[in-house]
Amino acid sequence: KQEVTQIPAALSVPEGENLVLNCSFTDSAIYNLQWFRQDPGKGLTSLLLIQSSQREQTSGRLNASLDKSSGRSTLYIAASQPGDSATYLCAAPHNYGQNFVFGPGTRLSVLP
Amino acid sequence: DAGVIQSPRHEVTEMGQEVTLRCKPISGHDYLFWYRQTMMRGLELLIYFNNNVPIDDSGMPEDRFSAKMPNASFSTLKIQPSEPRDSAVYFCASSFGQGAASGANVLTFGAGSRLTVL
Repeated sequence: KQEVTQIPAALSVPEGENLVLNCSFTDSAIYNLQWFRQDPGKGLTSLLLIQSSQREQTSGRLNASLDKSSGRSTLYIAASQPGDSATYLCAAPHNYGQNFVFGPGTRLSVLP
Repeated sequence: DAGVIQSPRHEVTEMGQEVTLRCKPISGHDYLFWYRQTMMRGLELLIYFNNNVPIDDSGMPEDRFSAKMPNASFSTLKIQPSEPRDSAVYFCASSFGQGAASGANVLTFGAGSRLTVL
């Protein structure tokens, strides 16, 4: 059964810093892994999807990497802004399926 | 497309009452997912459908929960009878296809239905 963990649970940084969020998963039988953002009281918004054949995926100031062999993914946020404050969740499927298992999230606060 | 549409956005009901949550997925998406989010347990997959057929319902907590997808544009999650521990935010999400096609497998979430059972 897929288990997904994320560290740190919470992170507070001053505006402008570069930061890294970590995601670990136990079942490497995955086609892809996704990163999401959730604002308080809102639904989830997809940020990046990394196919298992890729190592990295970039969107603007966001860069996500995937290492299936070690069961890890990282989300790098460059030049953080107060608008980046949200909870970031990663999700990995179970056994090459579509049943995505979510991590508990990292709550990010970017201070002006 | 208006995205994944869920209703109601908020529901307050009393223990023992029947609750029905509704979802309209994005047109053309062939996968539909129901998730539940609580502070204690995070985001949990309850059930998912492919082409209107339930594929995995192992996350459905009890027989009190049931889900249907009568057609490609509509799904319901029903709780009967409801209990206070069912209080949570219920999310519907949809996606299309598999493989490496652009946009494939990207989950699009609705805004959620916040359920409070008194």
